[in-house]
Amino acid sequence: ETGVTQTPRHLVMGMTNKKSLKCEQHLGHNAMYWYKQSAKKPLELMFVYNFKEQTENNSVPSRFSPECPNSSHLFLHLHTLQPEDSALYLCASSQGIAGGITSYNEQFFGPGTRLTVL
Amino acid sequence: LAKTTQPISMDSYEGQEVNITCSHNNIATNDYITWYQQFPSQGPRFIIQGYKTKVTNEVASLFIPADRKSSTLSLPRVSLSDTAVYYCLVVRDAGNMLTFGGGTRLMVKP
Repeated sequence: ETGVTQTPRHLVMGMTNKKSLKCEQHLGHNAMYWYKQSAKKPLELMFVYNFKEQTENNSVPSRFSPECPNSSHLFLHLHTLQPEDSALYLCASSQGIAGGITSYNEQFFGPGTRLTVL
Repeated sequence: LAKTTQPISMDSYEGQEVNITCSHNNIATNDYITWYQQFPSQGPRFIIQGYKTKVTNEVASLFIPADRKSSTLSLPRVSLSDTAVYYCLVVRDAGNMLTFGGGTRLMVKP
């Protein structure tokens, strides 16, 4: 049990659909992250939130819209996706984002949502 | 950030010690070396982090030479359950910005 849960675990959607991915962390952390892992590319950081404020947007297309209502929940709203957006979407959390202390920045990942865009 | 280079894949047998070496020639003074492990259909899991010399925890050891241009993750007496992808990352200020490469796919055979 990593303490980070993601729902749904699998999602199939058409290009015109709107769906949302949900992440919840039960670790009392303050920072949350979205990553994308495609079949042929390394794990890519998409967004970072710290105390509900977005601190990083790694040039992600606007068809991906994150939302962080509180430090425990993170959503990724999806609309008009493309087939190349099919991937494993991973959520992670850490105690904080400041540097220099391993335990503070260690990221705990959820199991991911396997997304297929038809 | 310094680019990392590690073997694409490695094979081992149960009970052996496995050493995975990572090159990071352009590592900066304030960069830390961090290793994550990822099992199929799961998110990565932190293994170990170090700055120089040797770091050991209950899972692995990390050896970093004085010039810090490479590092070696050592897994003692591997078992089948250690079959996974192992990622070497260089992390600025031991902070939260993780840049993953392709990793090393370790296959442990009986």
